[in-house]
Amino acid sequence: DQQVKQNSPSLSVQEGRISILNCDYTNSMFDYFLWYKKYPAEGPTFLISISSIKDKNEDGRFTVFLNKSAKHLSLHIVPSQPGDSAVYFCAARGNSGNTPLVFGKGTRLSVIA
Amino acid sequence: KAGVTQTPRYLIKTRGQQVTLSCSPISGHRSVSWYQQTPGQGLQFLFEYFSETQRNKGNFPGRFSGRQFSNSRSEMNVSTLELGDSALYLCASSLGTQNTGELFFGEGSRLTVL
Repeated sequence: DQQVKQNSPSLSVQEGRISILNCDYTNSMFDYFLWYKKYPAEGPTFLISISSIKDKNEDGRFTVFLNKSAKHLSLHIVPSQPGDSAVYFCAARGNSGNTPLVFGKGTRLSVIA
Repeated sequence: KAGVTQTPRYLIKTRGQQVTLSCSPISGHRSVSWYQQTPGQGLQFLFEYFSETQRNKGNFPGRFSGRQFSNSRSEMNVSTLELGDSALYLCASSLGTQNTGELFFGEGSRLTVL
């Protein structure tokens, strides 16, 4: 059973427009959420995170929104740039001690110039 | 500050063989986690070591094992390789002392089993 779901395997967006990547989770014990970006032949790199006590966190062009009641989070990238083309992974962690990060399957974002 | 280093970067093995992958974490990080990435499956958690002890374990068969040394370097071993073990194996390190800590990943070891 997949506890973190990214239902869109791919997404194409025009340069300058908004990219919205979605993530759903099933485990109500998750209380910390992260987004990672991965380029080919590189390891994932941390992008932005949000704690369950917040519903929004912003860092430059990247904003993560959390809707706890819907068990849903989204990553907004505005404006999208060609360099944002990568695979984006949503990850979540529980609140009981040092639990491992659980990742979704990823969404491949293509930003078209 | 040096990042997470994984060796080897690429390797090819045949079914039935065994393989050992190595990971050197960021200096000062005491936690090392291993993930398997396959097409369409995302990153699946293998195990985590903290201060030389396995702290968490994913749902992988016993053919997958690991260990951590006193300098926090970690190795993972896969015995009796199967075709389905072909994947990118990612190591990640963290301080390991805070639940809100992010993981820092290496570039991975790409294993091909023929």
